[in-house]
Amino acid sequence: NAGVTQTPKFQVLKTGQSMTLQCAQDMNHEYMSWYRQDPGMGLRLIHYSVGAGITDQGEVPNGYNVSRSTTEDFPLRLLSAAPSQTSVYFCASRVSWGPQHSGEQFFGPGTRLTVL
Amino acid sequence: AQTVTQSQPEMSVQEAETVTLSCTYDTSENNYYLFWYKQPPSRQMILVIRQEAYKQQNATENRFSVNFQKAAKSFSLKISDSQLGDTAMYFCAFFAGNTGKLIFGQGTTLQVKP
Repeated sequence: NAGVTQTPKFQVLKTGQSMTLQCAQDMNHEYMSWYRQDPGMGLRLIHYSVGAGITDQGEVPNGYNVSRSTTEDFPLRLLSAAPSQTSVYFCASRVSWGPQHSGEQFFGPGTRLTVL
Repeated sequence: AQTVTQSQPEMSVQEAETVTLSCTYDTSENNYYLFWYKQPPSRQMILVIRQEAYKQQNATENRFSVNFQKAAKSFSLKISDSQLGDTAMYFCAFFAGNTGKLIFGQGTTLQVKP
């Protein structure tokens, strides 16, 4: 059981470039989410999905797109990178319902992104 | 809207001593969950402890325990017999089923000194 995996671990982009951060989970979790972590601000929700084909915006969605074609995968796309998107990005997943549903999220190892 | 506040950006403690990290939250919900996550230098987010709001008994996991005061909306983490491996950033987080979102505090950086 690999849990939640993310690639790449590190990435440097130039302003205006686009890229996709990959996220996958093998726990059959319905709910998946993307957060960004910035100093002094904790983790803020970018986008989330409650199941395949369903996505919604979180607290800081501007500049990012997501899609959920399968239960396992939830990629995050940066359309035109800006220095303000320099951050650490985490993907997470959890159970959506049932006796194990407590809101506990399982996190990937994170991606450190620098936009020059 | 729910909010989570950690008012201590940085703390330090001597090895083997006890330290308490503070967290307060704001919500109008009655049923919810509270969490403490640990983020060591490796960056991995690790669940330390979980508290269900409907349970009056404070959660305990080995050296980690919480003081949950529902009326005061306070949820502090106590680390006993601190170890060097406890050095990390600690995040308090709130979850209510109606929103389905996990809300994080700003984090507290804890350094355990030898």
